[in-house]
Amino acid sequence: DAKTTQPNSMESNEEEPVHLPCNHSTISGTDYIHWYRQLPSQGPEYVIHGLTSNVNNRMASLAIAEDRKSSTLILHRATLRDAAVYYCILRDINTGNQFYFGTGTSLTVIP
Amino acid sequence: EPEVTQTPSHQVTQMGQEVILRCVPISNHLYFYWYRQILGQKVEFLVSFYNNEISEKSEIFDDQFSVERPDGSNFTLKIRSTKLEDSAMYFCASSVTPLTGNTIYFGEGSWLTVV
Repeated sequence: DAKTTQPNSMESNEEEPVHLPCNHSTISGTDYIHWYRQLPSQGPEYVIHGLTSNVNNRMASLAIAEDRKSSTLILHRATLRDAAVYYCILRDINTGNQFYFGTGTSLTVIP
Repeated sequence: EPEVTQTPSHQVTQMGQEVILRCVPISNHLYFYWYRQILGQKVEFLVSFYNNEISEKSEIFDDQFSVERPDGSNFTLKIRSTKLEDSAMYFCASSVTPLTGNTIYFGEGSWLTVV
């Protein structure tokens, strides 16, 4: 499966923007970049996904590098509820239809 | 907003007993999945299911596990003879299609403790 690299942990102050990086240097041309998050004791929750262009939704923005070897999830104003583990996942058309979760980035939001 | 629902939320069972975990996927979704997460570890893929048959499974999904869609709404995971190492949170998920650009929606999980 195509691999991603994320920092183990990050901190942010409440109401500040947060930029969560992800490296995926072995990404192939048809891999979509998906971001999920997991709040404590809950199931993974969809955040955003994209292929080549930057994407925005009500939860976050996804900035994808021109060479697609990295991406950044942007939370515009972090709230305490955003404290979670954030997973950057490549959906690899060659390995079927499942997601492979890594260890993600644990985001701490400081009040 | 439509959601995947799972029951039970918690179950404690004795080693060797059979367990059935139940899931109601989102109504217009056609692909169903089970994942598990052992405490403190990664979320791991178990199996995917489409058109009343398994489409993919991982090495974890051995003969002790089975899945079924007994009616038009439920999707179940059965563990035939539970082991201590089956203790984990089990997540059901569903998607409209399996395409790589498609989103998978997860349930809140069923926490299984084997004693």
